[in-house]
Amino acid sequence: GAGVSQSPSNKVTEKGKDVELRCDPISGHTALYWYRQSLGQGLEFLIYFQGNSAPDKSGLPSDRFSAERTGGSVSTLTIQRTQQEDSAVYLCASRRGAGNTIYFGEGSWLTVV
Amino acid sequence: AQSVAQPEDQVNVAEGNPLTVKCTYSVSGNPYLFWYVQYPNRGLQFLLKYITGDNLVKGSYGFEAEFNKSQTSFHLKKPSALVSDSALYFCAVRDDSGYSTLTFGKGTMLLVSP
Repeated sequence: GAGVSQSPSNKVTEKGKDVELRCDPISGHTALYWYRQSLGQGLEFLIYFQGNSAPDKSGLPSDRFSAERTGGSVSTLTIQRTQQEDSAVYLCASRRGAGNTIYFGEGSWLTVV
Repeated sequence: AQSVAQPEDQVNVAEGNPLTVKCTYSVSGNPYLFWYVQYPNRGLQFLLKYITGDNLVKGSYGFEAEFNKSQTSFHLKKPSALVSDSALYFCAVRDDSGYSTLTFGKGTMLLVSP
């Protein structure tokens, strides 16, 4: 596609439920990032995929968070047993090569009630 | 570890005046530097980047930024601000290795008054 596509754009879930957020990067982009932006906060790095290398999971805040990238393209971020503090915008981004621009999707707005 | 500092939470400027949004960074190796803008309820939009070459980088919507290696700075500038420039601006850095995350500053809110 023309840009990074994320779905759902908005999600309201009950505390304790699991949620899956999807990211479809720009075609041909080998690197994929997930970030979290809480209300009034900056961007918090979550996880980074680069080609076939092992992902950098150093930013995942707890073991309730996991992500996978299938076939080097689409990525899914899963949050298990959601908590209210998980409410945030989850942003996905991708880039083609080492020096190339990183492009962001519009984000998935998650509200845990 | 790499880091970015945006010392101003908010910058206020009158329309037509020049604007500067400050950014300093710390990174091992050579820096790749980026500026992004975020409008309300939207994702991040790319403005400009420095990879190598000329220290003055020109980007979208009339913005430019100057890379200063000795001061480890990458300030965002525009000669004449518009009300429509009002938004949240993020500076970001990564190193020049092929495997590196992008680290963001906390963001600076730019408010341009008519």
